[in-house]
Amino acid sequence: SQQGEEDPQALSIQEGENATMNCSYKTSINNLQWYRQNSGRGLVHLILIRSNEREKHSGRLRVTLDTSKKSSSLLITASRAADTASYFCAPGTNTGGFKTIFGAGTRLFVKA
Amino acid sequence: GAGVSQSPRYKVAKRGQDVALRCDPISGHVSLFWYQQALGQGPEFLTYFQNEAQLDKSGLPSDRFFAERPEGSVSTLKIQRTQQEDSAVYLCASSSGTSGRAPPSYEQYFGPGTRLTVT
Repeated sequence: SQQGEEDPQALSIQEGENATMNCSYKTSINNLQWYRQNSGRGLVHLILIRSNEREKHSGRLRVTLDTSKKSSSLLITASRAADTASYFCAPGTNTGGFKTIFGAGTRLFVKA
Repeated sequence: GAGVSQSPRYKVAKRGQDVALRCDPISGHVSLFWYQQALGQGPEFLTYFQNEAQLDKSGLPSDRFFAERPEGSVSTLKIQRTQQEDSAVYLCASSSGTSGRAPPSYEQYFGPGTRLTVT
């Protein structure tokens, strides 16, 4: 298990614009997950991308994974005010223990 | 089709009191996690269960924190002699994690959390 580090720490955009958040990690993974947390609510799983995948889509979400650079990005297209939340990445391995270590996240604010 | 539930949703305790936080995971989920989340921070891992076995408790901040899952379903996180620094949201998550693969490889489903305020 290891920590992902999200970048930027905060992002403010207009409704309708695209939002891109990045995640970097340090060692080998076999998958990486993205989670969202709205204000005052628990975390919600958004998408899981495996290490042999380069890109994955789910609705307005697009996740890319570059294992050579040890980085991932989450793109939200045509953002809505309801996308306002904190976004966390969670790198996953098959070895190295049972912890999931979350970073501080990216706070996205979508202005209506 | 219930998700993960936690109770109580809010708890105010006086310093020195003991508290017990409950987590009902999704039925059939093998793995169960507890996290502590301070305001403005990401969740911090506390402990992990696979069925009734507590396989990792390295994140528990002190021996005042104790977790159990005696029948491999419901779990309780107990904090003894609460201190002000224990004030946080405590999140529980479960996942289906089977076949011997490490749990972080599976999607985790989170409960709404218990907000603990120690006065």
